[in-house]
Amino acid sequence: DAGVIQSPRHEVTEMGQEVTLRCKPISGHDYLFWYRQTMMRGLELLIYFNNNVPIDDSGMPEDRFSAKMPNASFSTLKIQPSEPRDSAVYFCASSASGSSYEQYFGPGTRLTVT
Amino acid sequence: SQQGEEDPQALSIQEGENATMNCSYKTSINNLQWYRQNSGRGLVHLILIRSNEREKHSGRLRVTLDTSKKSSSLLITASRAADTASYFCATDRFQGAQKLVFGQGTRLTINP
Repeated sequence: DAGVIQSPRHEVTEMGQEVTLRCKPISGHDYLFWYRQTMMRGLELLIYFNNNVPIDDSGMPEDRFSAKMPNASFSTLKIQPSEPRDSAVYFCASSASGSSYEQYFGPGTRLTVT
Repeated sequence: SQQGEEDPQALSIQEGENATMNCSYKTSINNLQWYRQNSGRGLVHLILIRSNEREKHSGRLRVTLDTSKKSSSLLITASRAADTASYFCATDRFQGAQKLVFGQGTRLTINP
């Protein structure tokens, strides 16, 4: 099993540019989560999906952030326009309902906005 | 707001010693999990303890849960250099809930 796949692993962009982060969950998992990790705020849940439907987006910081899950094997997190304070490591995780609630994390995307 | 708060924030011990990390939380929970994060990597699930359990073991890991004190501890016995990582507790609040709230983590350093 390849695990959760995220791309790109590193992204450096200038303020005002659009950034798109991608995630492929583990096959068969019906929950997908997007997290952001910074030294100041720790690990924050941004949004999560169940069966491709957004369930809770209360963690999305503002309208500049959007997430989609067009099918069970792909999700995107978009930031438009990006700002320096968006610099962080963004993790995608997936889990299976009816399991032990264990979440499987991807390797993360390190985003730097200059 | 953070549900789980780990203590200490950082811990440095010698290889072979035991390491104990604590987690406190504020509201009632359904399950509590511990995760490990190696530098530059994603989090890896270690162990889950349910609210009706008091202690659980997995290899060199021992987790306790005291719901009356809203606290949990993670004990790593006979520590190894490879245990150097950050450790996070995470809680979910309701039966069937998949949403986890993570603490700030404890950074553990094992000195050879």
